[in-house]
Amino acid sequence: GGIITQTPKFLIGQEGQKLTLKCQQNFNHDTMYWYRQDSGKGLRLIYYSITENDLQKGDLSEGYDASREKKSSFSLTVTSAQKNEMAVFLCASSRPGTGGYEQYFGPGTRLTVL
Amino acid sequence: GEQVEQLPSILRVQEGSSASINCSYEDSASNYFPWYKQEPGENPKLIIDIRSNMERKQIQELIVLLDKKAKRFSLHITDTQPGDSAMYFCAAPNSGGSNYKLTFGKGTLLTVTP
Repeated sequence: GGIITQTPKFLIGQEGQKLTLKCQQNFNHDTMYWYRQDSGKGLRLIYYSITENDLQKGDLSEGYDASREKKSSFSLTVTSAQKNEMAVFLCASSRPGTGGYEQYFGPGTRLTVL
Repeated sequence: GEQVEQLPSILRVQEGSSASINCSYEDSASNYFPWYKQEPGENPKLIIDIRSNMERKQIQELIVLLDKKAKRFSLHITDTQPGDSAMYFCAAPNSGGSNYKLTFGKGTLLTVTP
């Protein structure tokens, strides 16, 4: 078994601030993802990384940067936090050989922007 | 990219009855359809999936049906229990140039009342 760890669990930021969210997995999975979850809008893909040193934009990449520092870690940066923004950011990784299909999620980072 | 529609968005059933959630997709080449369960404050967890070479799959009280011709798939929870109360998401591969992405439905909030 393995685990996905996301830090911090709760993040409070100020408008315009640059904020970084971190994700670590010990599944030894190649592919990792960042999703944003808003109430009533499901999960929307921000960035993903097929393998170490790879970076691909998702449907919601504007306003975000990402970095795959090593196979086990994938960071997401909110480049300029928007006032009153509230969302949950979920990191995921996918089991090798499934082409990204079987995805396992971390516990999430809950962002509030004042 | 793929579009996935999920209905209903809210579902309330009595304990012991069945609950059904329906999803439709657009890309006829899609070949993998997972279902995730997310309990309040928790991360989404993969509960059952079906590949396009099957029409029906059952794991205990969970049944997934796939109609490739109609491009629809559905989750049926038989003999529902209060512990089945959660948000449920369906997904389908986002085939737009990549095998590594899933497109998620907007979710169904299921409440099972005693």
